[in-house]
Amino acid sequence: GAGVSQSPSNKVTEKGKDVELRCDPISGHTALYWYRQSLGQGLEFLIYFQGNSAPDKSGLPSDRFSAERTGGSVSTLTIQRTQQEDSAVYLCASSSDGNTEAFFGQGTRLTVV
Amino acid sequence: GENVEQHPSTLSVQEGDSAVIKCTYSDSASNYFPWYKQELGKRPQLIIDIRSNVGEKKDQRIAVTLNKTAKHFSLHITETQPEDSAVYFCAASTSGTYKYIFGTGTRLKVLA
Repeated sequence: GAGVSQSPSNKVTEKGKDVELRCDPISGHTALYWYRQSLGQGLEFLIYFQGNSAPDKSGLPSDRFSAERTGGSVSTLTIQRTQQEDSAVYLCASSSDGNTEAFFGQGTRLTVV
Repeated sequence: GENVEQHPSTLSVQEGDSAVIKCTYSDSASNYFPWYKQELGKRPQLIIDIRSNVGEKKDQRIAVTLNKTAKHFSLHITETQPEDSAVYFCAASTSGTYKYIFGTGTRLKVLA
C-alpha cells in the first residue's frame, strides 16, 4: 500500500476484554515498530520487529501485551484483560531496514471503559 | 538501555522568531537522529534527520546540529510561522539494534 495502515481506527472495549490491533506496514519494509501514546504524552516504545530476527520486546509494559508479525509483513498487537490505564493511541511504524526514516500509521485509539 | 531527554516540554515564540529544541542521548553508539513533527490529531512525520558522521544539516528554515562528544543534538527553526505549531519529537537509533527511542516531545506554539 501507499502507507502504513492500522485498524481499527478507534476501539472501545470493556475492562477485562481482550483486543487485537492490526498494522499493515509499507510493502517491503523489514522493520516494524509499535508505540503507545497516552493523551498529550510522548511515544512509548513497545516492541520492534526486524526481518526474521527475534523481536525486541523490551518495551512491553506487562505480560498482558504481546505482538506477532506474520510472514514478515502484517503485525498484530494483542492486549489481554484490558485495564483502564491501557487507554491510549497505539501507533505502528515501519522503515525500510531500520535506522532510516520510520513512517507512522494513523494509529488506533483504544478506550477501555 | 538508550534514554533520550528533550527540553523544553513547551515553547512559545512570536511569529518570525527562532525556536530551539534540545535533546540528549545516553548511548554513545547511537548514530541516527531523526526529528518528527506531530500536528494535533495526526501521525508523526519526519521533518529532518542527521547521521553521526555529520555535524549539521539544513533544510530551508529547519536545521539540526549534532555534538557527538556531548551527546547533544538540537532542532532549530528560523522565521517561525503559525503552521509550525505542533509537537516535535527527537529520537535516537543505533545500527544493529535499530530501536528508535523518542524524547518526551516539545509542544511549540507560534503566536501570531
